[in-house]
Amino acid sequence: NAGVTQTPKFQVLKTGQSMTLQCAQDMNHEYMSWYRQDPGMGLRLIHYSVGAGITDQGEVPNGYNVSRSTTEDFPLRLLSAAPSQTSVYFCASSYSGGGVETQYFGPGTRLLVL
Amino acid sequence: GDSVTQMEGPVTLSEEAFLTINCTYTATGYPSLFWYVQYPGEGLQLLLKATKADDKGSNKGFEATYRKETTSFHLEKGSVQVSDSAVYFCALNHPNAGGTSYGKLTFGQGTILTVHP
Repeated sequence: NAGVTQTPKFQVLKTGQSMTLQCAQDMNHEYMSWYRQDPGMGLRLIHYSVGAGITDQGEVPNGYNVSRSTTEDFPLRLLSAAPSQTSVYFCASSYSGGGVETQYFGPGTRLLVL
Repeated sequence: GDSVTQMEGPVTLSEEAFLTINCTYTATGYPSLFWYVQYPGEGLQLLLKATKADDKGSNKGFEATYRKETTSFHLEKGSVQVSDSAVYFCALNHPNAGGTSYGKLTFGQGTILTVHP
């Protein structure tokens, strides 16, 4: 199993550009989520999904869109990038069976918005 | 709402020293508690977890005990190694009766640990 994969690893954008951060998991997990990591602030939840076709907002959703058409994929879209979106983005997946839910994280995408 | 507070870092130790990283939380009900570790250039990995009061999570020589009376989940290791240098995150979730939190975690700000030979 590849686990949770993210592409690209690093991206530079100009203000106003759009892009999609890709996330895929091959563990057949029900739940997927996106976090951003900023210095001194830990990780903050952007959006999450409890299954294909079902998404909801987390703590910091503004400026980001998500959709989940398949169990495996959960892309994060920035429609008009802003410097405040410079961050490291982590995708995670988890499932509900077998005891305490445990999250598995991808390696991250480092985004710089100029 | 829920929140997690970790001790200020960075923490710098010599090899074989004793490690404590403090973590306290604010939450209603009975959250599950976690410690995640992030090695340089990598994603987060689960280090240990505890689901109810007085539970002790342990892994790779690290331990943490769920203390409901003090709302704490401090991370300890008796003898650190250079390879333990990483960022450590305390986190909680709020599982429902079926043990599910739908992938939502609340994190502390992270503590950078550097261990010198």
